Amino acid sequence: NAGVTQTPKFQVLKTGQSMTLQCAQDMNHEYMSWYRQDPGMGLRLIHYSVGAGITDQGEVPNGYNVSRSTTEDFPLRLLSAAPSQTSVYFCASSYFGTGEGGEQFFGPGTRLTVL
Amino acid sequence: GENVEQHPSTLSVQEGDSAVIKCTYSDSASNYFPWYKQELGKGPQLIIDIRSNVGEKKDQRIAVTLNKTAKHFSLHITETQPEDSAVYFCAALVRGYSTLTFGKGTMLLVSP
Repeated sequence: NAGVTQTPKFQVLKTGQSMTLQCAQDMNHEYMSWYRQDPGMGLRLIHYSVGAGITDQGEVPNGYNVSRSTTEDFPLRLLSAAPSQTSVYFCASSYFGTGEGGEQFFGPGTRLTVL
Repeated sequence: GENVEQHPSTLSVQEGDSAVIKCTYSDSASNYFPWYKQELGKGPQLIIDIRSNVGEKKDQRIAVTLNKTAKHFSLHITETQPEDSAVYFCAALVRGYSTLTFGKGTMLLVSP
């Protein structure tokens, strides 16, 4: 049971480049989400999904796209990278219990630098 | 939307002392309050959580208290150890919604 896995661990992009951050989980969780972590800002929600084929925006969605074609995978796409997207990105998953809450399992993170 | 404030941003204690981190939330419909610990270079990990029908919950050296009237909740760590050094995040979930709102985090430093 690998839990939540993220690739790559580190990435350097030039302004304007695009890329996809990969996230996968093997716990059959319905709920998956992407956060970015910046110094002094805590964890801010980018996008989330409550099941395959269903996605929604979080607090800071601009510049990012997501899709959820399977229960296991939830990739995050940067359309045209900007220096403001330099951050550490975390993917998380949990059992979706109609808003009653439950443990979110976080991946190890991807550290992205945009030059 | 929900807003979660967390204090202090940094907390330094001596080994063996107690540490308290406090959070306030804005939406009275919030009903689930987890605490996460993030060690350097790793993703956050749940250490304890509490639901709105409970006032206090304890797990060995850590405890969480909830005051629904004042809309605040706190993490208490007793007999701190150097391995408790990490960033701690509080969060809140509004009933019927699926997304957590996190506080900005507290860096706890435990000196031997």
